[in-house]
Amino acid sequence: DTEVTQTPKHLVMGMTNKKSLKCEQHMGHRAMYWYKQKAKKPPELMFVYSYEKLSINESVPSRFSPECPNSSLLNLHLHALQPEDSALYLCASSHPQRGGNSGANVLTFGAGSRLTVL
Amino acid sequence: QKEVEQDPGPLSVPEGAIVSLNCTYSNSAFQYFMWYRQYSRKGPELLMYTYSSGNKEDGRFTAQVDKSSKYISLFIRDSQPSDSATYLCAITAYGQNFVFGPGTRLSVLP
Repeated sequence: DTEVTQTPKHLVMGMTNKKSLKCEQHMGHRAMYWYKQKAKKPPELMFVYSYEKLSINESVPSRFSPECPNSSLLNLHLHALQPEDSALYLCASSHPQRGGNSGANVLTFGAGSRLTVL
Repeated sequence: QKEVEQDPGPLSVPEGAIVSLNCTYSNSAFQYFMWYRQYSRKGPELLMYTYSSGNKEDGRFTAQVDKSSKYISLFIRDSQPSDSATYLCAITAYGQNFVFGPGTRLSVLP
């Protein structure tokens, strides 16, 4: 299994709603990531979990709340979002900190969850 | 200076052309180099991965890294309309902190 699965594929929510994005991988990767991507821009890092612990938070507003319940799952809880938060939210995973030419240190992305905030 | 620079294009080529996509970077600690292809409204898909300097070939795709010049390239031979996408380079020193180029939009015209 070489996939990162994200649900839902599309989400429309109002500014007062609470919703969650979900991500799952079964590749044994121990680092998982949330990226935000606006149109015609590269992915922008939001959070990194390494061995289920939050290791990087790129000064993301508190209306985005990540959670890593176990080594295969990653959630992003959304609350009181703004229209400018509309974007493609990408989950990715990797093996953290393996050396040499082992094929590690490569990001595998999911297909993304397209979020529209009204 | 940005950590990774990439010509954003757009780049239009006729079908069958050889395409050259390039990134330059500033941090000599980078040692893992990736190329991703992203179709419109989809997630990035890993195309090529190289470790340190050298060439790597996979079918119509060749990735090239020149660490002395801090320059990486992706060559696409016999380009097809299905290659029309945005190509992102991504670089990391040792995992977790992946730096992306802005992406190059490629159109291959039939």
